[in-house]
Amino acid sequence: SQQGEEDPQALSIQEGENATMNCSYKTSINNLQWYRQNSGRGLVHLILIRSNEREKHSGRLRVTLDTSKKSSSLLITASRAADTASYFCATLNAGGTSYGKLTFGQGTILTVHP
Amino acid sequence: DGGITQSPKYLFRKEGQNVTLSCEQNLNHDAMYWYRQDPGQGLRLIYYSQIVNDFQKGDIAEGYSVSREKKESFPLTVTSAQKNPTAFYLCASSRGQGLFSSGANVLTFGAGSRLTVL
Repeated sequence: SQQGEEDPQALSIQEGENATMNCSYKTSINNLQWYRQNSGRGLVHLILIRSNEREKHSGRLRVTLDTSKKSSSLLITASRAADTASYFCATLNAGGTSYGKLTFGQGTILTVHP
Repeated sequence: DGGITQSPKYLFRKEGQNVTLSCEQNLNHDAMYWYRQDPGQGLRLIYYSQIVNDFQKGDIAEGYSVSREKKESFPLTVTSAQKNPTAFYLCASSRGQGLFSSGANVLTFGAGSRLTVL
């Protein structure tokens, strides 16, 4: 299975609600990043959290990292219809055969209804 | 504005043909990458280059080839040896100065090229 795996695969919410997406990984990491992809477009970097950090904020985004559980979560507060997109976690691996590589998960499809 | 330009946006290929996807960046980034994305899937690394005139295979390099003759350019050739080439191809770049230095591995992506084999 892939290094980063997102959960849920799809999430549907109403505008104004919060959206939480989770990412799990297997090997030790240097950092974990979240990216957003609008349909048929390239990915856009949202936020990076280092392995020695536990929480980070950027505007309406909040990311947490639990290295003991090898998991991260992305919270989008007060969601808007424009937040509709796929969200990917990516891990910069610090060990194993994927050392130094940025490995992407399969993504969570977020739909925000107006 | 600085960024990454991929062309063409859409490409159709007959079986047995080689095709080349263009990727140009004006961000002065050292590292460049090619990823493949299949429907409902994450990104898989095809090739990457940390510096001009050097590149390494990623996880799914078979059937693909690249060159890095200029810092700004990293073209990808999908050869006839690639068994299932229909996919969305994404090029990316990063500063790449030091493997784990702050922000070095944050990727900037192009808009992608969609290849369909007829």
